[in-house]
Amino acid sequence: DVKVTQSSRYLVKRTGEKVFLECVQDMDHENMFWYRQDPGLGLRLIYFSYDVKMKEKGDIPEGYSVSREKKERFSLILESASTNQTSMYLCASSRGTSGRRDTQYFGPGTRLTVL
Amino acid sequence: DQQVKQNSPSLSVQEGRISILNCDYTNSMFDYFLWYKKYPAEGPTFLISISSIKDKNEDGRFTVFLNKSAKHLSLHIVPSQPGDSAVYFCAASAGAQKLVFGQGTRLTINP
Repeated sequence: DVKVTQSSRYLVKRTGEKVFLECVQDMDHENMFWYRQDPGLGLRLIYFSYDVKMKEKGDIPEGYSVSREKKERFSLILESASTNQTSMYLCASSRGTSGRRDTQYFGPGTRLTVL
Repeated sequence: DQQVKQNSPSLSVQEGRISILNCDYTNSMFDYFLWYKKYPAEGPTFLISISSIKDKNEDGRFTVFLNKSAKHLSLHIVPSQPGDSAVYFCAASAGAQKLVFGQGTRLTINP
């Protein structure tokens, strides 16, 4: 079974703090993704990575950065947290076989509250 | 600009009956469509997918229908069971690994 784990289920931070959200997958997947889920807006892609040290912006990258130093780990960084970044953050991974559509497997999510 | 839309935020169905969840899209470049199911406090799990070369795909109690001319897809669950109560997201992609998700529909199955 594919396992995607996220470092925290719940996190409370203060405005202006630097926040790190960690995601680890154990299936040697090439692709990793960060989404946020908000009521009425569905899942929106923040950043994704097709390979180690490689990243691409998604639909809402403003206020976020990412790091992928190892294949199994993809970190989302909020440089200076703001209240509008209060949300559910979901990490996903997929195998990344070229020419094939891959299923994305999701972690359990981190509910971040910024006060 | 919402490229994938689920216009019903919620749906309530009697146990044993058919549940029909709908999804509309605007981008004609989308060629692969998926449905995900999400329970509270868990990540979404993949349910079923369909390529644009097909108009129907079936997996047990779940069937996805694609109407390309109407840019519409639907998920049919029959018979509906209490464990099907969850939020359902449709998603689409256009030749790449990125997915665009709808807003989700909360399905409640009543005993």
